[in-house]
Amino acid sequence: DVKVTQSSRYLVKRTGEKVFLECVQDMDHENMFWYRQDPGLGLRLIYFSYDVKMKEKGDIPEGYSVSREKKERFSLILESASTNQTSMYLCASSLWDSTYEQYFGPGTRLTVT
Amino acid sequence: AQTVTQSQPEMSVQEAETVTLSCTYDTSESDYYLFWYKQPPSRQMILVIRQEAYKQQNATENRFSVNFQKAAKSFSLKISDSQLGDAAMYFCAYRTPYGNKLVFGAGTILRVKS
Repeated sequence: DVKVTQSSRYLVKRTGEKVFLECVQDMDHENMFWYRQDPGLGLRLIYFSYDVKMKEKGDIPEGYSVSREKKERFSLILESASTNQTSMYLCASSLWDSTYEQYFGPGTRLTVT
Repeated sequence: AQTVTQSQPEMSVQEAETVTLSCTYDTSESDYYLFWYKQPPSRQMILVIRQEAYKQQNATENRFSVNFQKAAKSFSLKISDSQLGDAAMYFCAYRTPYGNKLVFGAGTILRVKS
C-alpha cells in the first residue's frame, strides 16, 4: 500500500512565523503535490514537483515556497505565516504519468493566530 | 482555464438507497481524465472511480458508477445500495492529458441516514 505521511495533523503558529510542512511518500513516486483545502473552494494546487529539485507553481503559489531535496520528501514552506493561510493542507503523490491516481496524506490543519 | 462545478453542497440518502452526485466541467480539450475522490471524516482522501474521456463506456467500480456525458460536459457519480461508510465529502476532479495537475470541484458532503 502506498503511504503518504505528513509531519503534523494539527499545527498552531503565530503571524510572521516561518512554517514548515513536511510530506513523505514511500512508493518511489516521481510526482508530489501540495494542495490547500478550504470550505466551498475544494482543493487548490499550491505547488507540485515532478522530480528532485524540480518544482512548478500551481494555482495559488503566493506566500508559499517548496523544497524537494530527496525523491520521497516534499516540503511546503510559509516564509512568514499570515492569518489568511489558516487552512487544511494536503500532500499527494503519484507516478510520473498522473493518469494514475494521486495518493493523499492525512492533511495538516494549520491555524495562524 | 478548466473549471469543475459541483452544484450540490450537501446531499442525504437513506441507507440502501441510491444517490447521484452531480459534476460539470468546462474545457476546450477533447481528451482528458475525470475522477471522483472520497474524503471520509478525519480520514485520507481516496480515489473512487476514474473515467477516460475517449472511452464511451461509463466506468463502474462495484456500487459506484458514473454517467459520463461528454457533449454536455457532465460527470455524475451514482452510489447504489448506500452504506453508512459512504458518508464523506466527494470531490470531482479533471485532468488534462498533458499535465500533472488536477482541478477539483468544491465538493459535496454526502450524509447517509440509517
